[in-house]
Amino acid sequence: DQQVKQNSPSLSVQEGRISILNCDYTNSMFDYFLWYKKYPAEGPTFLISISSIKDKNEDGRFTVFLNKSAKHLSLHIVPSQPGDSAVYFCAASEVRGGSEKLVFGKGMKLTVNP
Amino acid sequence: EADIYQTPRYLVIGTGKKITLECSQTMGHDKMYWYQQDPGMELHLIHYSYGVNSTEKGDLSSESTVSRIRTEHFPLTLESARPSHTSQYLCASSALRDRGRRGSHEQYFGPGTRLTVT
Repeated sequence: DQQVKQNSPSLSVQEGRISILNCDYTNSMFDYFLWYKKYPAEGPTFLISISSIKDKNEDGRFTVFLNKSAKHLSLHIVPSQPGDSAVYFCAASEVRGGSEKLVFGKGMKLTVNP
Repeated sequence: EADIYQTPRYLVIGTGKKITLECSQTMGHDKMYWYQQDPGMELHLIHYSYGVNSTEKGDLSSESTVSRIRTEHFPLTLESARPSHTSQYLCASSALRDRGRRGSHEQYFGPGTRLTVT
């Protein structure tokens, strides 16, 4: 059963507009959430994260919102730029058996059109 | 910037061959990981290590094996490659403490190895 879900496989937005990427999770034991960005033929790169005790974290054009009661988080990119076109992965961190692991969603492909 | 390297970047090999995918990091990180990812799918953890001589299997069953003889090096080996092993293999590392803006939860990824077994 998938614990981290990115239900929309793709999103297309115009340059300068807002991009909103959504992520849902089922495990209430996740204590940290991260967003990664991945270009083709490259490894994922860290973008932004949020602790489960917070509801918002902002870093430049990127803001992550966490709604614990709904088990939902979202990544907002404002303004969107063509260079933001990539696959975005939502990930959640859990500690199990003394080991800390990341659980990833399937990713969402964002296309920002000039 | 993260300094984690993987070689080769691309590998096409015949069934039955033994292969080793290399992963090295220069950050002194204790934790290292191997993930497998197919197109349009999530990353699946197949192996991890919390230090020298420590290796554990991840959540996704894999016929590959790993070793951790040195902190900076975490190679993955397939004794006999099969077409079902065709995938992208991503290596990552993380620190117990990171004095930068990123916390210990963050993993730094290498560029990946795209493996095709014919």
